[in-house]
This record gives sequence, C-alpha cells and structure tokens, in this order.
Amino acid sequence: QKEVEQDPGPLSVPEGAIVSLNCTYSNSAFQYFMWYRQYSRKGPELLMYTYSSGNKEDGRFTAQVDKSSKYISLFIRDSQPSDSATYLCAMRGYSSASKIIFGSGTRLSIRP
Amino acid sequence: DAGVTQSPTHLIKTRGQQVTLRCSPISGHKSVSWYQQVLGQGPQFIFQYYEKEERGRGNFPDRFSARQFPNYSSELNVNALLLGDSALYLCASSLFNQDTNEKLFFGSGTQLSVL
Repeated sequence: QKEVEQDPGPLSVPEGAIVSLNCTYSNSAFQYFMWYRQYSRKGPELLMYTYSSGNKEDGRFTAQVDKSSKYISLFIRDSQPSDSATYLCAMRGYSSASKIIFGSGTRLSIRP
Repeated sequence: DAGVTQSPTHLIKTRGQQVTLRCSPISGHKSVSWYQQVLGQGPQFIFQYYEKEERGRGNFPDRFSARQFPNYSSELNVNALLLGDSALYLCASSLFNQDTNEKLFFGSGTQLSVL
C-alpha cells in the first residue's frame, strides 16, 4: 500500500465549476500537508501549505485536512482554463529533515 | 530574485553511461533536495543536503550520489545508467528552518532520457 493515494484522473470540468481534489494517506506521523501545481514540463509550484487539521483559504483555493480520517482536500472555486495542470498532494512529518512524500498527481482540465 | 535553476534542461544518454545534473538554489536557501519524477507519477525523494552534509536519503541504489558545494549549489550523479533512470530530475531548495516550517521550492527539472 502506498503511503499517499491520489486519484490520477484525468478530471475535466467546465470553466467556473468548483473543483475538488483529494488524497488519502496511511502514515499518522504526517503533520504538514501541501498542494503543488505542476504545468507540463515544469517543476511543481507550491500552492497551499497547512499544519495539522483544519482549513486554509487563499483566494480561490481552500485546503482542508482531516487527520482523524487521514484525508486531505483542495477546492478550487470559479475554476479557470489557466488552472489546467497536474495537482500533487504532498505531506511530511514534524521534523525539517522528514522527507516529503508526494501523491501521484491528478490531471485537471478546465474546459472554456 | 532568481528561483531554483537547473542545468541542463534536457539530456540524452545511453545505457551504462554516467550523468551529472546541476542545481543552484534560491539565494539564502541552504538546503537542496533531489527528486526523481517518472512520467505519470509524483516526485520520489532521492537526497537532501544541508551545509554540505547529507541529511536524508531515499530508497535509491548506490549508483545515485550527490554533493553540495560551499555556495550551496549541488550536483546529482548517476552512474551505470539504466533505461529505468529515464525521468524528470527535480531539484528543490529550502531554508532548512529548524522551526520546521519547511517549504520546498522546485526548479523546472532536467529531463533525462536513457536509450
């Protein structure tokens, strides 16, 4: 079993829709949770960074963490064609030296 | 400010050859991490270096090695290349903040193709 599971998609939605992306994990030691966006032939770009359980909002993006269920989500409101990319969830333990474990990524396409 | 820079952007090698990939971190960042991303997968951790010392190693064979220089730049070396080493190699820099609020910033990667 992988430590982090993420639905690979692809996910295709119309412009303006609300997008929900999700990951589950098995390691209860994970404390920091991240979402990265990766455009084709580019490196991942950090979108959201949260610690422990709860919600965090940044513009059109909301990250949710439910540690009791080992489940994290990223919501994108008013989705735009420029949001079309692969979204990677990532997480690590408490120490700065903890390696970051990535999900396999979800390909998202926003149709104009 | 310049972000993380990696060179070369693309590389084609044949099986058995050796390759060296280079990375310059964001100014002020003292830690460099290397990740391998196979097509359709998330990045897999290879190494983390801080102050020229290895601070973490992923589950990769000894054919993979790295080092960090006094200016915090880094090189990743892969010997005896296999077809399965074909991937996007990503370098990420971070502050290695002991307060644990650690964030990775990635470069655009080096696309390695092994024929």
